[in-house]
Amino acid sequence: AQKITQTQPGMFVQEKEAVTLDCTYDTSDPSYGLFWYKQPSSGEMIFLIYQGSYDQQNATEGRYSLNFQKARKSANLVISASQLGDSAMYFCAMREDNAGNMLTFGGGTRLMVKP
Amino acid sequence: GAVVSQHPSRVICKSGTSVKIECRSLDFQATTMFWYRQFPKQSLMLMATSNEGSKATYEQGVEKDKFLINHASLTLSTLTVTSAHPEDSSFYICSPLLLRGRYNEQFFGPGTRLTVL
Repeated sequence: AQKITQTQPGMFVQEKEAVTLDCTYDTSDPSYGLFWYKQPSSGEMIFLIYQGSYDQQNATEGRYSLNFQKARKSANLVISASQLGDSAMYFCAMREDNAGNMLTFGGGTRLMVKP
Repeated sequence: GAVVSQHPSRVICKSGTSVKIECRSLDFQATTMFWYRQFPKQSLMLMATSNEGSKATYEQGVEKDKFLINHASLTLSTLTVTSAHPEDSSFYICSPLLLRGRYNEQFFGPGTRLTVL
């Protein structure tokens, strides 16, 4: 079974509008972390936001927020006030604390911001 | 944030040759290094995990004799693609792990795009 699932291969959003990128995960480890990365066409992986499984509040970093619904095992990324520079691939990833520290990535969502 | 460099950033080689990719953590020491491979329009797939001074642990389906990983120091790890073939053409990304105790942080190199003709 897939550990990280991103069901939206591609999405369009109008500039200045908000967009939600979906991510669901599967783990039996009670302690884990969820990450979102942005990958522009240059290929570099840019860390956006982190949510720990025991964190009580949803993480926020500037225009990025994470809608963490633990019971549903979802960790959707919300980008507010989209900008043209937000056009990129977005990857959700999980690290299970009992599985050796490495990140497992979802399939990614390509976001395209329309002017 | 931590700085990670990869060299070369892009390489084109003939089939049958070997290519070495270097990954350096410039301002921190990494006892653990992850190597990922990313095919076009796909996600990052973990190839192997290496700890400084130890043999790398390879993921299922990754040939250890083809993808040689050396993690000889805390700031340098190398991936050598031996006898490269066109199907090895991919984007290779190193990812050193910074241990912070309770919260470990994984950084990423800028990647190496390998094209095998």
